Amino acid sequence: SAVISQKPSRDICQRGTSLTIQCQVDSQVTMMFWYRQQPGQSLTLIATANQGSEATYESGFVIDKFPISRPNLTFSTLTVSNMSPEDSSIYLCSVVGATNYGYTFGSGTRLTVV
Amino acid sequence: GESVGLHLPTLSVQEGDNSIINCAYSNSASDYFIWYKQESGKGPQFIIDIRSNMDKRQGQRVTVLLNKTVKHLSLQIAATQPGDSAVYFCAENMGNTPLVFGKGTRLSVIA
Repeated sequence: SAVISQKPSRDICQRGTSLTIQCQVDSQVTMMFWYRQQPGQSLTLIATANQGSEATYESGFVIDKFPISRPNLTFSTLTVSNMSPEDSSIYLCSVVGATNYGYTFGSGTRLTVV
Repeated sequence: GESVGLHLPTLSVQEGDNSIINCAYSNSASDYFIWYKQESGKGPQFIIDIRSNMDKRQGQRVTVLLNKTVKHLSLQIAATQPGDSAVYFCAENMGNTPLVFGKGTRLSVIA
């Protein structure tokens, strides 16, 4: 399976600021996703990162709040914009390889907004 | 690390016993299912998967059972060890769609 490097691993940010999270994969992958995991909760899909085009967002998530880039088949970024304490969560990158099996996750970014 | 699954249902099992973690899924059209293990401070780790044309699949110390009639998935862990303590999530999808996760269960192994 693919090896994912997600940065930063954690951060404490001031409200009103923005944080960009990076997801780097060691091989080309067909699909990349961003999830949010709020404290004590399961994983919720934010969006599918599409290579060379706008991301596909799930209900409740918008591009102005969570802009996503995917310039190539191995890299994506998620920005959490104009942060508030309610954005404090773990943000996770996930990828799928050419076989479409074995969805792999990064180690996550633990964001605390104060 | 930051705690995961503080408010999730908990299954407590004696070390050496077998564990059974259950999951009810919602989409009858789902054709692929995965069990993940998540330890505190880490991302979900793939355990085992199963496609809808199967009803059982075995791995090392783990077995996944799929009952499509009642939309139920279970994970069986044999001879549970302290290192198995974690939060376990089931996930489902159809075709190339993103995974949809279940609510999760915290497994606590009593030494």
